[in-house]
Amino acid sequence: ETGVTQTPRHLVMGMTNKKSLKCEQHLGHNAMYWYKQSAKKPLELMFVYSLEERVENNSVPSRFSPECPNSSHLFLHLHTLQPEDSALYLCASSQDSGNTGELFFGEGSRLTVL
Amino acid sequence: TQLLEQSPQFLSIQEGENLTVYCNSSSVFSSLQWYRQEPGEGPVLLVTVVTGGEVKKLKRLTFQFGDARKDSSLHITAAQPGDTGLYLCAGVGGSYIPTFGRGTSLIVHP
Repeated sequence: ETGVTQTPRHLVMGMTNKKSLKCEQHLGHNAMYWYKQSAKKPLELMFVYSLEERVENNSVPSRFSPECPNSSHLFLHLHTLQPEDSALYLCASSQDSGNTGELFFGEGSRLTVL
Repeated sequence: TQLLEQSPQFLSIQEGENLTVYCNSSSVFSSLQWYRQEPGEGPVLLVTVVTGGEVKKLKRLTFQFGDARKDSSLHITAAQPGDTGLYLCAGVGGSYIPTFGRGTSLIVHP
């Protein structure tokens, strides 16, 4: 299995739908992240979990709701999204006992909001 | 907020050419990472540089960290079509969470 797995790879949803993105890491890391990647913008950090505790929430709208039930799994629950939320959502993990912050990314979930 | 500026934004070259991409900031970083992202995939870590002035080589790729640990460069020798992708630099400062630049999109034509 690959180190970080994201599902689904592609998702199309209407603005009134509720859906969830899933991420699973098999690397034994203790920190997990959600990033948003839009065209012509830097990767935007959304949420960080360290040892299953949320340590950073980068002023993300409440229509995005993260969940980290254990150190291997991370979810992003989506509700009443807007078309501008269409983007590639990347999950990553790291071992935060070091200070180099090296990230291991999944392949991403391409979200389209109609 | 620690901003990272990458240049050029786009680069289209022929196979066999050399190129250099730059990552600059006014902030000092404890470490800096370079990632490559291919279409439809997530970024993959290429290298981490930690010491000011450090040079690391990965086959045809040479990475350098500036003496003041504010900037970095990536030089590719004899580029190949397989080098095509988005090159991202990311700086790590006071926290362990990297801040990313916008990336340099490289296309190498056969």
